[in-house]
Amino acid sequence: AQSVTQLGSHVSVSEGALVLLRCNYSSSVPPYLFWYVQYPNQGLQLLLKYTTGATLVKGINGFEAEFKKSETSFHLTKPSAHMSDAAEYFCAVMDTGRRALTFGSGTRLQVQP
Amino acid sequence: GAGVSQSPRYKVTKRGQDVTLRCDPISSHATLYWYQQALGQGPEFLTYFNYEAQPDKSGLPSDRFSAERPEGSISTLTIQRTEQRDSAMYRCASSLRSGTGELFFGEGSRLTVL
Repeated sequence: AQSVTQLGSHVSVSEGALVLLRCNYSSSVPPYLFWYVQYPNQGLQLLLKYTTGATLVKGINGFEAEFKKSETSFHLTKPSAHMSDAAEYFCAVMDTGRRALTFGSGTRLQVQP
Repeated sequence: GAGVSQSPRYKVTKRGQDVTLRCDPISSHATLYWYQQALGQGPEFLTYFNYEAQPDKSGLPSDRFSAERPEGSISTLTIQRTEQRDSAMYRCASSLRSGTGELFFGEGSRLTVL
């Protein structure tokens, strides 16, 4: 079965600083990987996804993630944090058996002024 | 509808009571998912539907949990004889079809069992 591990349940950065949220996956087949974001009192929404092809994928709001097979990682980055980026971020992998997503435990991003 | 709608948004019930949660997906979406999210955790898969068919309900934690989608649109999740450990956010999501990973989530139903 596929799984993901998110390192760090809370990350705090200053406005304008680099954002790095870590995700490692476990999969016996080529994984489909996703990042979702949850703003307060809202549902989760898709930020970006990797299926096949280019390993650097770009998402909404200036976020991007790089699939690194050798490191089994799919870390999320943004060059310059904005106050509006404060939210909870979930990494997920497609469970090919269930045809449903398996989510990590989430990382709460705090952006300091 | 334009988005995924869940009701009620908040439900407080006493242990032993039955609870039914409702999800109205995006109208063009064939696939509907139910997830359970405990505080401080990521969403955990419960079950999903392709139209009215329910190919996988292996994530349902016990036989007290059941879900249905009789006409392939609105779905309900029912928890019988609720227990305190059932307290969680229950999230519904829909997608055009299964296996894409592109889910559209509702705002969730927060269940508190006293």
